[in-house]
Amino acid sequence: GAGVSQTPSNKVTEKGKYVELRCDPISGHTALYWYRQSLGQGPEFLIYFQGTGAADDSGLPNDRFFAVRPEGSVSTLKIQRTERGDSAVYLCASSPTGITQYFGPGTRLTVL
Amino acid sequence: DQQVKQNSPSLSVQEGRISILNCDYTNSMFDYFLWYKKYPAEGPTFLISISSIKDKNEDGRFTVFLNKSAKHLSLHIVPSQPGDSAVYFCAASPINNAGGTSYGKLTFGQGTILTVHP
Repeated sequence: GAGVSQTPSNKVTEKGKYVELRCDPISGHTALYWYRQSLGQGPEFLIYFQGTGAADDSGLPNDRFFAVRPEGSVSTLKIQRTERGDSAVYLCASSPTGITQYFGPGTRLTVL
Repeated sequence: DQQVKQNSPSLSVQEGRISILNCDYTNSMFDYFLWYKKYPAEGPTFLISISSIKDKNEDGRFTVFLNKSAKHLSLHIVPSQPGDSAVYFCAASPINNAGGTSYGKLTFGQGTILTVHP
């Protein structure tokens, strides 16, 4: 079956611009997670959805970051006024149970 | 504060021998642990997990050991194969919402680069 997909695979933007990153989870998975991975580090939690609602957004670094999952399936991570420090690989994962998570290939965001 | 630590940035092993990857954690609320493997330009792939009610879980060539009193877990790969060369991450989660942590919210270590030589 299809795994988690993320688009785009690469995104280059200029400082101050707005970006949207999309995640298509595995069909039927109710839990969806966003993580961010910087070079040489493990993934760091950003936000977790159970269905349509954000169950935990404690990992979002500031109010420039926002995520939605309006129909309980596809999710979009939105970053306003991007900064160079936002450059990282953004990973999405989904889970049927909320514990074992299955990751997508990630979106590499580069802010120039 | 790094709640999950993988103190070895890299490990080099000969094909056919055992690879042992180590992970330590500090948060006593963690009670479920996972290992992921990551190839370049791909997302992490789930390998094996263990609940804190067990001290060992085995799946083919992969075995995870958990020492809860020492807050330490390890992944054994026997025999190691060149295709196992990747970055390995351990991750931890509480099973229940408690102490301000979120069910299924994974905390990852920094990763260990495993190289298996033919």
